[in-house]
Amino acid sequence: GQQVMQIPQYQHVQEGEDFTTYCNSSTTLSNIQWYKQRPGGHPVFLIQLVKSGEVKKQKRLTFQFGEAKKNSSLHITATQTTDVGTYFCRSGGGADGLTFGKGTHLIIQP
Amino acid sequence: DGGITQSPKYLFRKEGQNVTLSCEQNLNHDAMYWYRQDPGQGLRLIYYSQIVNDFQKGDIAEGYSVSREKKESFPLTVTSAQKNPTAFYLCASQDQALYQPQHFGDGTRLSIL
Repeated sequence: GQQVMQIPQYQHVQEGEDFTTYCNSSTTLSNIQWYKQRPGGHPVFLIQLVKSGEVKKQKRLTFQFGEAKKNSSLHITATQTTDVGTYFCRSGGGADGLTFGKGTHLIIQP
Repeated sequence: DGGITQSPKYLFRKEGQNVTLSCEQNLNHDAMYWYRQDPGQGLRLIYYSQIVNDFQKGDIAEGYSVSREKKESFPLTVTSAQKNPTAFYLCASQDQALYQPQHFGDGTRLSIL
């Protein structure tokens, strides 16, 4: 099935700095979902994007779907220690048409 | 309170032993999934089931088996054929409608004694 490439694999930031993770595909995506997994926890659904160029916000988090629907980004403004975790995108191929990216680990230094 | 319950939280396996991980959901979801997660890694699909009495292999099914006799339950057996079973196992469920979000249980950590 289709694969989504997620970058970077790891990101270290100072508390208060911004953070962005990207999910890229060589083919057009039907939609994209974003999940967050806290250390020791399980993935939790954050949001789904379906429209070309769509932008959605959740407090300090901004989610964007590219115009060509081949990429997506998750941007966190002014990171806090509670943002620590791994952020996964889910899209492209797979059992129901969707598969998880390998995730971006966000590490925040106080 | 609707959700997914995985048990046990921690499990230890002896060499040559089969162990079964439980996953129960009361969300009335048709589809259920099992993932394996190794430290610092992503989610790899083991098996999935989109309807009762039917299931499909995922990307890493070797050494694992499942059953889906009831809509609410999707147990995973880690057999002795799985030579490197130490991992975090996550169960998820999803409404059957296409492209729905997945809901996860708290996971089971399996270790070798």
